[in-house]
Amino acid sequence: DVKVTQSSRYLVKRTGEKVFLECVQDMDHENMFWYRQDPGLGLRLIYFSYDVKMKEKGDIPEGYSVSREKKERFSLILESASTNQTSMYLCASMVGGGNEQFFGPGTRLTVL
Amino acid sequence: AQSVTQLGSHVSVSEGALVLLRCNYSSSVPPYLFWYVQYPNQGLQLLLKYTTGATLVKGINGFEAEFKKSETSFHLTKPSAHMSDAAEYFCAFGNSGGGADGLTFGKGTHLIIQP
Repeated sequence: DVKVTQSSRYLVKRTGEKVFLECVQDMDHENMFWYRQDPGLGLRLIYFSYDVKMKEKGDIPEGYSVSREKKERFSLILESASTNQTSMYLCASMVGGGNEQFFGPGTRLTVL
Repeated sequence: AQSVTQLGSHVSVSEGALVLLRCNYSSSVPPYLFWYVQYPNQGLQLLLKYTTGATLVKGINGFEAEFKKSETSFHLTKPSAHMSDAAEYFCAFGNSGGGADGLTFGKGTHLIIQP
């Protein structure tokens, strides 16, 4: 069965902390994505990756970076967390264009 | 730039009634269109997708959607609502490469089923 897992379901951090959100997929997918979900705004694309070592900015990359050292793992990094980054973060993977994106369960991050 | 508009942040229907969730898109390129459902405290699950070919697309759980190019619409329907359909529904547009560059989502519609 297809699976995208995220390292934490809930996370509480302090302003200024460096935060790592981890995502792992077991489907050998080339494409991986990070979205944030906020009430009334839907999902917005932060970063995506076509392949190992590759990364592209999405619609709202400010304040975030990513790392993809292995095909199955895509990490989202908040270099210095701020309260406006309190949100639900969703990771997804896809085998190629025109196909389904498979989503993880999400990480609800609270920055105090 | 592409955009997706979902009409109605909340839709309430009675159990057994028709479900209609509206989605319009704007794009200068042929669209890849998706409907996803999100149950509480879960990730998103694909209901159905339109890429090319037949404009009436059937999905899981009895849902279907019709792609109408002239109206730039991709509305989601289900003939008879069930209590288990209560969830958040998202329409999404595949950016260039059929979504390989990410999806553009609507703001979501919360479907409420009245007993």
